[in-house]
Amino acid sequence: AQTVTQSQPEMSVQEAETVTLSCTYDTSESDYYLFWYKQPPSRQMILVIRQEAYKQQNATENRFSVNFQKAAKSFSLKISDSQLGDAAMYFCALLQGGSEKLVFGKGTKLTVNP
Amino acid sequence: KAGVTQTPRYLIKTRGQQVTLSCSPISGHRSVSWYQQTPGQGLQFLFEYFSETQRNKGNFPGRFSGRQFSNSRSEMNVSTLELGDSALYLCASSLVGTSGGAEAFFGQGTRLTVV
Repeated sequence: AQTVTQSQPEMSVQEAETVTLSCTYDTSESDYYLFWYKQPPSRQMILVIRQEAYKQQNATENRFSVNFQKAAKSFSLKISDSQLGDAAMYFCALLQGGSEKLVFGKGTKLTVNP
Repeated sequence: KAGVTQTPRYLIKTRGQQVTLSCSPISGHRSVSWYQQTPGQGLQFLFEYFSETQRNKGNFPGRFSGRQFSNSRSEMNVSTLELGDSALYLCASSLVGTSGGAEAFFGQGTRLTVV
């Protein structure tokens, strides 16, 4: 069975600073994908960044980047130059290749202080 | 391009009743997945439909069912509602499914409260 663990229920960061959200996962498969989703108060889940397990290079999307440590099964999200609009719940998710089922962590609530 | 649309946004039902939630995927998307989100259990996969066929199912009782129509719109039904069914129900669509790592686009959800 696949599991995703987010050990930080809440995090806070000052505007313009950098914050890192942690995620660890467990899967016995070699073909899988990892995602970070953002859920603002509007409730709509928005994809922030994705990583293919077979790629060694860490994914980057503008101010968002990941640190993918495959051997340690770790997938952290770094948000640089934090903005007020980044405040939201962040969910780490695992998708096994060939499956349609996303397995989510419990989420980290990020607060951005002005 | 319109996003994923879920109706209704809010719903209050009484224990024992049944409820039907609707999801209209992004135009051209043929895969629709449903998730239940609760504070205690987090986000859990309910089922996924593609071309009117259920391809995947999560660990939920038979009271939870769904279907997909020829235009890819999907409905999920919960019968004999229990207090524990109170949750945010999220629908996600993708072109042909997410098994290849494709992005799933989520709707804003339906907040179901069972009293």
